[in-house]
Amino acid sequence: GENVEQHPSTLSVQEGDSAVIKCTYSDSASNYFPWYKQELGKGPQLIIDIRSNVGEKKDQRIAVTLNKTAKHFSLHITETQPEDSAVYFCAARIYGQNFVFGPGTRLSVLP
Amino acid sequence: DADVTQTPRNRITKTGKRIMLECSQTKGHDRMYWYRQDPGLGLRLIYYSFDVKDINKGEISDGYSVSRQAQAKFSLSLESAIPNQTALYFCATSDPASAGTEAFFGQGTRLTVV
Repeated sequence: GENVEQHPSTLSVQEGDSAVIKCTYSDSASNYFPWYKQELGKGPQLIIDIRSNVGEKKDQRIAVTLNKTAKHFSLHITETQPEDSAVYFCAARIYGQNFVFGPGTRLSVLP
Repeated sequence: DADVTQTPRNRITKTGKRIMLECSQTKGHDRMYWYRQDPGLGLRLIYYSFDVKDINKGEISDGYSVSRQAQAKFSLSLESAIPNQTALYFCATSDPASAGTEAFFGQGTRLTVV
């Protein structure tokens, strides 16, 4: 079955710097890749997603890139702010099947 | 009001006790899920249901059972709780009508088994 790895497990950046989190997946049939943000005491919330027919997607300070050949996708956060501090999860999914989540990355944005 | 509501939010129980975690949703989605979150392990699927008469095991179903009482309600039970079931539990829903659509999560139930 699908396996998703995520790196790094923890990441600290200075406010205003960029942060990059990378995930790799094993099943080339996966075609949907969401990123979730989990703030303390809350459930994960979708922040951006990408489908396999697209190489990059942006939403203000957040972007996701997908390399299907290498089977990896990355989350890019620019101009980080303290409110970006959270745990971020990537996931992969084949249409009609269940999500497989990465283990998460704890991002700390230092003032 | 939250779209996906979990009760209780926190629970401490003793080893061997039976406990039920409840989930209700107002999104009208057919698919519902129970996940367990442990530090460094991400979200692992316990059980899922695609409609009221459908129940499926996930990757870590041992020691758990579920009931789908209605489209909007999906309960998770621990028949005899043990300390290694101490974790954060999340209920989620998704819409099968759209390919690859997102999952919507509840706020979680923090369960401690002593």
